[in-house]
Amino acid sequence: GENVEQHPSTLSVQEGDSAVIKCTYSDSASNYFPWYKQELGKRPQLIIDIRSNVGEKKDQRIAVTLNKTAKHFSLHITETQPEDSAVYFCAASKMAFYNQGGKLIFGQGTELSVKP
Amino acid sequence: GAVVSQHPSWVICKSGTSVKIECRSLDFQATTMFWYRQFPKQSLMLMATSNEGSKATYEQGVEKDKFLINHASLTLSTLTVTSAHPEDSSFYICSASPPGQGEGTEAFFGQGTRLTVV
Repeated sequence: GENVEQHPSTLSVQEGDSAVIKCTYSDSASNYFPWYKQELGKRPQLIIDIRSNVGEKKDQRIAVTLNKTAKHFSLHITETQPEDSAVYFCAASKMAFYNQGGKLIFGQGTELSVKP
Repeated sequence: GAVVSQHPSWVICKSGTSVKIECRSLDFQATTMFWYRQFPKQSLMLMATSNEGSKATYEQGVEKDKFLINHASLTLSTLTVTSAHPEDSSFYICSASPPGQGEGTEAFFGQGTRLTVV
């Protein structure tokens, strides 16, 4: 089955710096790659996602890149702010049918700390 | 976005008892829902896929007789933890995706249920 590896497990940056989190996946049939931010005791919040037919996607300070050949994708956060501090998870999903969401296989998580 | 609601948000039960957790899609119909478990400082681990009108599909290593899943309607899936033990204490969270989004649909999560077995 699918396996998703995420690095680093912890990341500490100064406010204003950039943060990069990387994930690799094993199943070449995976076609959907979301990134989630989770605060303690809360549900994961989708921050950005990318589909397999796209190599890069950007939303303000957040960007995701996908390399299908190498089977890895990365989250880039620029101009980090203290409120970006949280645990971030990548995930991979394989969905074949038009009207059905696939199960998500999550990476191990990265605890991001942004120091003022 | 779509709304998935989970109940209860937290529950404390005695060892040996059963606990039922509900997951509802409030503004869409979901033929499929997913149940995850998250231990402290760990990732979300998929437990099972809940299928409306048919049996759930369990991930390897998840005991189907211990974690009973029922998906009796297009808006409700329930997870029952039977004969709960302290090691079952965890954060249980469900997700569902509205139909018709095409390849790679966004998942919407319930609030999660913090289960503590004493």
